[in-house]
Amino acid sequence: NAGVTQTPKFRILKIGQSMTLQCTQDMNHNYMYWYRQDPGMGLKLIYYSVGAGITDKGEVPNGYNVSRSTTEDFPLRLELAAPSQTSVYFCASIPTGAHDNQPQHFGDGTRLSIL
Amino acid sequence: QKEVEQDPGPLSVPEGAIVSLNCTYSNSAFQYFMWYRQYSRKGPELLMYTYSSGNKEDGRFTAQVDKSSKYISLFIRDSQPSDSATYLCAMTPLEGTGFQKLVFGTGTRLLVSP
Repeated sequence: NAGVTQTPKFRILKIGQSMTLQCTQDMNHNYMYWYRQDPGMGLKLIYYSVGAGITDKGEVPNGYNVSRSTTEDFPLRLELAAPSQTSVYFCASIPTGAHDNQPQHFGDGTRLSIL
Repeated sequence: QKEVEQDPGPLSVPEGAIVSLNCTYSNSAFQYFMWYRQYSRKGPELLMYTYSSGNKEDGRFTAQVDKSSKYISLFIRDSQPSDSATYLCAMTPLEGTGFQKLVFGTGTRLLVSP
């Protein structure tokens, strides 16, 4: 059971380039999230999805797009990379159920530098 | 004012010490409180969660919530070098739909020296 898998682990982009950060989970979780983590700033929610075909904006969505065509995959796209998007990106998921207190499972992150 | 405040540290202690990590918050709607541990270059992993006020113990770890003071704590007894990591607090209102929108603290870096 792999859990939440993120690829790539590291990437350097030039300003204006685009890329897709991949996130896959094999736990059949409906709820998935994208966060960014900046030094001294904690984790900020970018986008989330409550199921296939349903996505919504989090706290810091500008400059990003997401899609959720399957339960397993939740890719995050940067269309025009900017230096302010240099960060560590984490994908997370939780199981669907009647309980609110399910823990979020995190991937190991993608470290993205934009120069 | 941030919704959740957490001292970034680093907090350096000798092996075997009792460690106290804390967060304060401003939103009285928060009902679920969590502590995550994050090793370098890894994703956060859930250590403990508590609902509303009170204490919860799990091995060497104790989570404490004081809603009247809007203050939560994580205590680590008999700290080990393997406890060296960044500890993130997180909290969320009771959504009722199964969906969590967590608000995280900035994390406290803990260093336990042998």
